[in-house]
Amino acid sequence: DVKVTQSSRYLVKRTGEKVFLECVQDMDHENMFWYRQDPGLGLRLIYFSYDVKMKEKGDIPEGYSVSREKKERFSLILESASTNQTSMYLCASSYPTGTSGRVVSYEQYFGPGTRLTVT
Amino acid sequence: AQKITQTQPGMFVQEKEAVTLDCTYDTSDQSYGLFWYKQPSSGEMIFLIYQGSYDEQNATEGRYSLNFQKARKSANLVISASQLGDSAMYFCAMYRGTYKYIFGTGTRLKVLA
Repeated sequence: DVKVTQSSRYLVKRTGEKVFLECVQDMDHENMFWYRQDPGLGLRLIYFSYDVKMKEKGDIPEGYSVSREKKERFSLILESASTNQTSMYLCASSYPTGTSGRVVSYEQYFGPGTRLTVT
Repeated sequence: AQKITQTQPGMFVQEKEAVTLDCTYDTSDQSYGLFWYKQPSSGEMIFLIYQGSYDEQNATEGRYSLNFQKARKSANLVISASQLGDSAMYFCAMYRGTYKYIFGTGTRLKVLA
C-alpha cells in the first residue's frame, strides 16, 4: 500500500514564526502536492513538484515556499506564519492511471493532514 | 475555465438506503479523469473511485458506483446500502492536466441509524 506521512497531525505556532511541514511518501511517486483545506472552499493547490528540485506554483502560493531535495520528501515552508494561514494542510503524491494504454490522469494518495493553528 | 461543482453542502440518508452525491464539471479537454474521495472526521482523504473520460462503462468499486454522463458533464457518486461508517465529507475532483487537479467544495453525508 502507498503510504504518505506528514510530520505532525496538529501544530500550533505564533505569528511571524517560520514553519516547516514535512511530507514523505514511500512509493517512488514522481509527483507530490501541497493543498490547504478550508471549510466551504474545498482543497486548493499551494505548490506541486514533478521531480526532485522541480516545483511549480499552484493556485494560492503566496506566503509559502517548498523544497524537494529527495524524491520521497516534499516540504512546505511558511516563511512568516500569519493567522490567515490557520488551516488544514494536506500532502499528496500521485502516479499515472488510465485504460487501454492511455494515460488519462494521475491518481493521488493523501497523507493524514496537519491541522495548523497560528495564534 | 475548469470547474467542479458540488451543489449539496450536506445530506442525510437512512442506514441501508442508497444515496447519490452530485458532481458536475466543466472542461473543454477531451481527455480527463474524475475522482471521488471520502474524508472522515479523522481528516485523511481516502480514494474511492475513478472514471476516465474515455471509459465507456461506469466505474464501480464495491458499494460505490460513479454515474458518468459525459454529455451532461456529470459524475455523480452512488453509495448503495449506506452504513454508519459512510458518514463523512465527500469530494469530487478532476484531473486538469499538467499534474494538477481541481476539487469541489464537498458534500457532508450523515447516515442515520
